[in-house]
Amino acid sequence: AQKVTQAQTEISVVEKEDVTLDCVYETRDTTYYLFWYKQPPSGELVFLIRRNSFDEQNEISGRYSWNFQKSTSSFNFTITASQVVDSAVYFCALRGNSGGSNYKLTFGKGTLLTVNP
Amino acid sequence: DVKVTQSSRYLVKRTGEKVFLECVQDMDHENMFWYRQDPGLGLRLIYFSYDVKMKEKGDIPEGYSVSREKKERFSLILESASTNQTSMYLCASSFLSGNFGNTIYFGEGSWLTVV
Repeated sequence: AQKVTQAQTEISVVEKEDVTLDCVYETRDTTYYLFWYKQPPSGELVFLIRRNSFDEQNEISGRYSWNFQKSTSSFNFTITASQVVDSAVYFCALRGNSGGSNYKLTFGKGTLLTVNP
Repeated sequence: DVKVTQSSRYLVKRTGEKVFLECVQDMDHENMFWYRQDPGLGLRLIYFSYDVKMKEKGDIPEGYSVSREKKERFSLILESASTNQTSMYLCASSFLSGNFGNTIYFGEGSWLTVV
């Protein structure tokens, strides 16, 4: 069975602080994909990034960066110089390649990030 | 840009009513999904479809059915709405073949209240 754990339920920071959202996953699949989604108050889940299990290269996109470490089964997400518009719920998700797991995303419970001015 | 459109953002229905939630995607995706999101429970898959007229149960299909008559449209049906189906419903879509890691794109969500 697949599992995604986001241990941080809520995080509150002041604007311009850096913040890291943690994600730990479990899967028996040898090939899998990891995702991060953002859900602002409007409700839509916005896709941020996808990473496959063969590619541990970390990625930076503007103020966002992702640290994928297969050895610790973690896929952490960092926002640098946070802004009020970053306030949202962030979900980490996993999609495997075996049996019933090859079609659906398994989501973590989400982390509510509040960035205060 | 991928567009997944859910027909209703906010609905209030009475217990026992039949409820239709409609979803349309414009990217010719084979896969379409219905998720339910509840506080503390996260997102849970209700049903998904990988082709027209094809459907598979997800993790929580009880009390729901689906219909996929056209590739771009996937409907979620609550045959007899109950108060425990008050929730946020999210439709999603993705490509099917080849790369199983294809990204799943979501709609804006439909907030359903059953009274």
